[in-house]
Amino acid sequence: QVQLQESGPGLVKPSQTLSLTCSVSGGSISSSTSYYWTWMRRPAGKEVEWIGRIYTTGRTDYNPSLKSRVSMSVDTSKNQFSLRLTSVTAADTAVYYCARDLAWGYLDPWGQGILVTVSS
Amino acid sequence: QSVLTQSPSASGTPGQRVTISCSGSSSNIGSNYVYWYQQLPGTAPKVLIYRNDQRPSGVPNRFSGSKSGTSASLAISGLRSEDEAEYYCAGWDDSLSGVVFGGGTKLTVL
Repeated sequence: QVQLQESGPGLVKPSQTLSLTCSVSGGSISSSTSYYWTWMRRPAGKEVEWIGRIYTTGRTDYNPSLKSRVSMSVDTSKNQFSLRLTSVTAADTAVYYCARDLAWGYLDPWGQGILVTVSS
Repeated sequence: QSVLTQSPSASGTPGQRVTISCSGSSSNIGSNYVYWYQQLPGTAPKVLIYRNDQRPSGVPNRFSGSKSGTSASLAISGLRSEDEAEYYCAGWDDSLSGVVFGGGTKLTVL
């Protein structure tokens, strides 16, 4: 059974870069049936926001509202994929989730989530 | 303002049937599948309904989904205390070229 786990700093200073990794266990990130691997976030009191997704070939799709600051990568040798968000502000404070996208929004499973606070 | 609109809260007593609605537009619900997620306190979100009305294995048949036009609904029958959670709808949006979510409905079992 595939499981995902986010990791990274819980505190990032304003204007710096937020970097998170999602480790995949229980299955290969580049199995014969390939999927998109997705990042989302949820600021306190707000809805979940889709940040973007990456395919195992490296193809990416990003939310237009974040596209200028986001990049994603995949490391098949480590069975991980990663998120980088540059020039962060307090508005980027949120719980960040990774998930496997089986098809156009069918997100299963999700990681537990990691709280990232942007503060000096 | 969420792209998909949900009532922020709902409630019911054990054994009752409750319905949670999700309203969207032609670029999301109107032309793509709807998914429903359940998030119990302190846990990761879990898919309850996929492709409008399909239940993954392990999800009780007390949970059902439907879609009509640009709206969708999640119904929970035989309400139990363990159903107290947040529920949100999601789906692909052709205008965004990405996944959009509802704001979430917090269900309280009285």
